[in-house]
Amino acid sequence: DVKVTQSSRYLVKRTGEKVFLECVQDMDHENMFWYRQDPGLGLRLIYFSYDVKMKEKGDIPEGYSVSREKKERFSLILESASTNQTSMYLCASSLLIHTQYFGPGTRLTVL
Amino acid sequence: DQQVKQNSPSLSVQEGRISILNCDYTNSMFDYFLWYKKYPAEGPTFLISISSIKDKNEDGRFTVFLNKSAKHLSLHIVPSQPGDSAVYFCAAGGYGGATNKLIFGTGTLLAVQP
Repeated sequence: DVKVTQSSRYLVKRTGEKVFLECVQDMDHENMFWYRQDPGLGLRLIYFSYDVKMKEKGDIPEGYSVSREKKERFSLILESASTNQTSMYLCASSLLIHTQYFGPGTRLTVL
Repeated sequence: DQQVKQNSPSLSVQEGRISILNCDYTNSMFDYFLWYKKYPAEGPTFLISISSIKDKNEDGRFTVFLNKSAKHLSLHIVPSQPGDSAVYFCAAGGYGGATNKLIFGTGTLLAVQP
């Protein structure tokens, strides 16, 4: 059974703070993804990674960066948090590119 | 440019009846389609998928239909149960180039009334 965990379920940060969101998967999946979910906009891809130390921009990478130093861990970094980054952040992993398994999500509020 | 569209933000159905959720796409290069189900405060869970070489895939109460000429897919849930109440996302992807990632629709909130 695939397990994807995210470091926090709820997070409150202030404008300008650096924010780290951690994601860990235990199924040795090659592919990992970060999405944000906003009402009326569905899931939008921020960044993804096909392998360790490899990353590719998704549809909305501005204001974000990522790190993948180990296969099981994929981190999303908000260099300087802004209020428009208040959202639900979802991490996913997959063996095949399409059947992705999601973590429980992190609800981030930036004040 | 919304490549995957779910035009109904919400749907209400009586328990025991059929739920039909619809999804349209614009990119003919998509060749793999999925449905995910999401409860509040949880991550989406994979429900069912279909390859473009098929027009129907069935798994228990869930059936996905694909009409490639119309660029339309639908998810049928029969019979609907109150536990099916959730947001349903359709997603599409391909095997190369710009389609080598999943594109999600905006979701449809299904409410199954007891």
